[in-house]
Amino acid sequence: EAGVAQSPRYKIIEKRQSVAFWCNPISGHATLYWYQQILGQGPKLLIQFQNNGVVDDSQLPKDRFSAERLKGVDSTLKIQPAKLEDSAVYLCASRRGLVNTGELFFGEGSRLTVL
Amino acid sequence: GQQVMQIPQYQHVQEGEDFTTYCNSSTTLSNIQWYKQRPGGHPVFLIQLVKSGEVKKQKRLTFQFGEAKKNSSLHITATQTTDVGTYFCAGLTASKLTFGTGTRLQVTL
Repeated sequence: EAGVAQSPRYKIIEKRQSVAFWCNPISGHATLYWYQQILGQGPKLLIQFQNNGVVDDSQLPKDRFSAERLKGVDSTLKIQPAKLEDSAVYLCASRRGLVNTGELFFGEGSRLTVL
Repeated sequence: GQQVMQIPQYQHVQEGEDFTTYCNSSTTLSNIQWYKQRPGGHPVFLIQLVKSGEVKKQKRLTFQFGEAKKNSSLHITATQTTDVGTYFCAGLTASKLTFGTGTRLQVTL
C-alpha cells in the first residue's frame, strides 16, 4: 500500500512569510498527526485529528499555526507569519485506528528553513 | 507536562559491540513504542510494549518495559553498521503519545 505522502519536501522562506504543507495519509487511516522535529530533538506533537475532528492541539502555536483535515482524508498545516524558530522538519503521520495504540506511519517530512 | 527522557544522548560503538538506550517517563505509561530514524530519514516503528515487565525480541534487538511502566530499554547485541540512526521511545499517557529525546547511535568498523 502507498505510504504517507507529504509535500513539499523542502521549503525556504524569509521570516514573516507564510508557508503551507500538505499531507495525504495512508488510505483508510482515521487518525492523522502533525509533528515538528527540530534538529537533534524528538518529534513534538502539534496537532492530532481523528477523522476530520481535532483531538489534541494543545501544543499548536495557534497565533501563527493552523491545520485542517477536510473530509477526514488529507490535511494541510499552515504557518503565518513564520519565525526563525519554526525552522524544522514537519512530519505527518497516520494510524489506522482511533485509539492511541499501534504503529504510527510517518511521511518523509517537509523541511522548512526560515531565513 | 509529561516528559520522556532518554540516555545516553549519543553513543559511538565499534561494530560487534553491544548497545543499550534507556527511556524514562515522568508519569506512568499505558504503553511504550520504539522508533528508529536513519540520518535524513523519518521515524520507523520498531515495536510496542504494553504489559508491565514485558520483554520482546526482534533478532538482535531486545526491548523491555519496566515493572512500574515508567521506563523502558532497548538493547542491541553485536551492533552492525546498519544499526546506525537515532532511536526514540514514545510513551502513551492520557491519550497523548510523547516522544523521547532520542539516542543517536554511531557504529564504526
